[in-house]
Amino acid sequence: GDSVTQMEGPVTLSEEAFLTINCTYTATGYPSLFWYVQYPGEGLQLLLKATKADDKGSNKGFEATYRKETTSFHLEKGSVQVSDSAVYFCALSMDSSYKLIFGSGTRLLVRP
Amino acid sequence: EAGVAQSPRYKIIEKRQSVAFWCNPISGHATLYWYQQILGQGPKLLIQFQNNGVVDDSQLPKDRFSAERLKGVDSTLKIQPAKLEDSAVYLCASSRDRGREQYFGPGTRLTVT
Repeated sequence: GDSVTQMEGPVTLSEEAFLTINCTYTATGYPSLFWYVQYPGEGLQLLLKATKADDKGSNKGFEATYRKETTSFHLEKGSVQVSDSAVYFCALSMDSSYKLIFGSGTRLLVRP
Repeated sequence: EAGVAQSPRYKIIEKRQSVAFWCNPISGHATLYWYQQILGQGPKLLIQFQNNGVVDDSQLPKDRFSAERLKGVDSTLKIQPAKLEDSAVYLCASSRDRGREQYFGPGTRLTVT
């Protein structure tokens, strides 16, 4: 079945470091891809999305590019801040069902 | 605009007891989802409603879980009887329609002892 695999955490970085969180997917068709973020004590929030191959989603300095050839959607940020500390979830959705299928999440901890 | 509301935020019960969770979606949102998030895992869809009809309940353990969305607004998820493995965060989400962005509530953390 359709699935998402993302790198295990925690990822610990110093402020202003470069961030990459890897995400790959398996799907029978052409899914839409998402990154969600969960800050401590809060609900999941959509961070960015891409709906077709080569699309780049971006928000709050974060970017991810939909790569069909490598079935990947890696999350990147050039300079992380302490406030970026959270759990990040990669997810996919097929047009046939619209349900979100999530990866297991990656916890990011940014130290001052 | 008010977000998705859920209650209670925390619940501790003993195994074999029953429990119910409540969700109030964003006003005007036709689609409502219940997800189960076990510690260390990503959320997994349990059931999806479109207005007051069930669209997908393929992952709902129907021998113990039930859900309803009367009048196409609020929804209740029930577990009876609870098992230890039901310990998780139960997330409710809503969207304006199927395929539109999903907005998540803060979740209900259930501990079964």
